[in-house]
Amino acid sequence: EPEVTQTPSHQVTQMGQEVILRCVPISNHLYFYWYRQILGQKVEFLVSFYNNEISEKSEIFDDQFSVERPDGSNFTLKIRSTKLEDSAMYFCASSEYRNYGYTFGSGTRLTIV
Amino acid sequence: ELKVEQNPLFLSMQEGKNYTIYCNYSTTSDRLYWYRQDPGKSLESLFVLLSNGAVKQEGRLMASLDTKARLSTLHITAAVHDLSATYFCAASSNFGNEKLTFGTGTRLTIIP
Repeated sequence: EPEVTQTPSHQVTQMGQEVILRCVPISNHLYFYWYRQILGQKVEFLVSFYNNEISEKSEIFDDQFSVERPDGSNFTLKIRSTKLEDSAMYFCASSEYRNYGYTFGSGTRLTIV
Repeated sequence: ELKVEQNPLFLSMQEGKNYTIYCNYSTTSDRLYWYRQDPGKSLESLFVLLSNGAVKQEGRLMASLDTKARLSTLHITAAVHDLSATYFCAASSNFGNEKLTFGTGTRLTIIP
């Protein structure tokens, strides 16, 4: 069964540093998403991406965050000037159709120290 | 703004028993999702419910949707230990918005 692949599985970064989380969506999917889950809490939407541009973003997704699809297969989330409160599990998801049939990746556990 | 609430937050039940998890949402939603999450793992899609009265079943789990009441339920029949996990419902609002709004999750523990 096709999978969404995320790397790394765990990332430890010093506060103030930049981090890039990587995702390889399912190949025929057109819609891409990032969500995050702070430990023990609910899953929160960050951003959706379609046709090489952001289609929707949440209040969490401020100027500290950016997304990119650099080469037609990878989908990245960049977090600049990381803060302690950015520590969370970050999930990438993709879907073939808008708003239907999401497949989530296995997540990247980001720890800011 | 769409809000999604689940209850209970924690559920401990004995093997063999039946129970229901409830998911309420605040505004019109055109689809409702149920996911399972094991500790430290990703979100596994269980059900997608698209219309009023929709009912889907997979093994010991059955999900239903009542759009008029803005309520979805996940019913567990004759629980077994390997159903222990956290279950999330999520809704997307009408008009093609792309984000999923998740409930707080229900941590289910099945006791032998």
